[in-house]
Amino acid sequence: NAGVTQTPKFQVLKTGQSMTLQCAQDMNHEYMSWYRQDPGMGLRLIHYSVGAGITDQGEVPNGYNVSRSTTEDFPLRLLSAAPSQTSVYFCASSYGRGAGNTIYFGEGSWLTVV
Amino acid sequence: GQQVMQIPQYQHVQEGEDFTTYCNSSTTLSNIQWYKQRPGGHPVFLIQLVKSGEVKKQKRLTFQFGEAKKNSSLHITATQTTDVGTYFCAGPATGANNLFFGTGTRLTVIP
Repeated sequence: NAGVTQTPKFQVLKTGQSMTLQCAQDMNHEYMSWYRQDPGMGLRLIHYSVGAGITDQGEVPNGYNVSRSTTEDFPLRLLSAAPSQTSVYFCASSYGRGAGNTIYFGEGSWLTVV
Repeated sequence: GQQVMQIPQYQHVQEGEDFTTYCNSSTTLSNIQWYKQRPGGHPVFLIQLVKSGEVKKQKRLTFQFGEAKKNSSLHITATQTTDVGTYFCAGPATGANNLFFGTGTRLTVIP
């Protein structure tokens, strides 16, 4: 049982480059989300999805795009990378749509923008 | 906007000492969850509290939800080196379908 799988684990980008962080879950969870984690800032929600074909913005959506074409996959796209996007990114999923459901996190993607 | 603050931000304790982290929300929460993140790892769900004044225990960990459902605490008795990590509380975002995480408390246990 793989759970939530993120790739790549580490990535270095140059300013202005674009890239996609991949996320897949095999638990048939409806809810998926992306967080970024910066020192002293905790986990901040970037985008989330309550089901295939439905996405919404979180707390810090600027500079990121998402799509949810299948239940399993929820990729995060950085359109034009900036040094301020240097962070650790976590994909997460949960069974239900409500905020009372346990969230399962992927192992994280360490992104550095130079 | 909604805020979930945790104190302290950092805590260093000698192994065997107790540890407590506090979580305070600017709004009333329908429930609160706690997560633990080991250094270099990802957050892992510990527990969820739903009822006002609820207290739950997991071995040496005691979780409490305030009567007004705006604050919560996690207390660890007789810390061990395996308790090292950052502890996050999280509550439902107001009017939204997602969780809002606290700023976290990083615990260091000195052997």
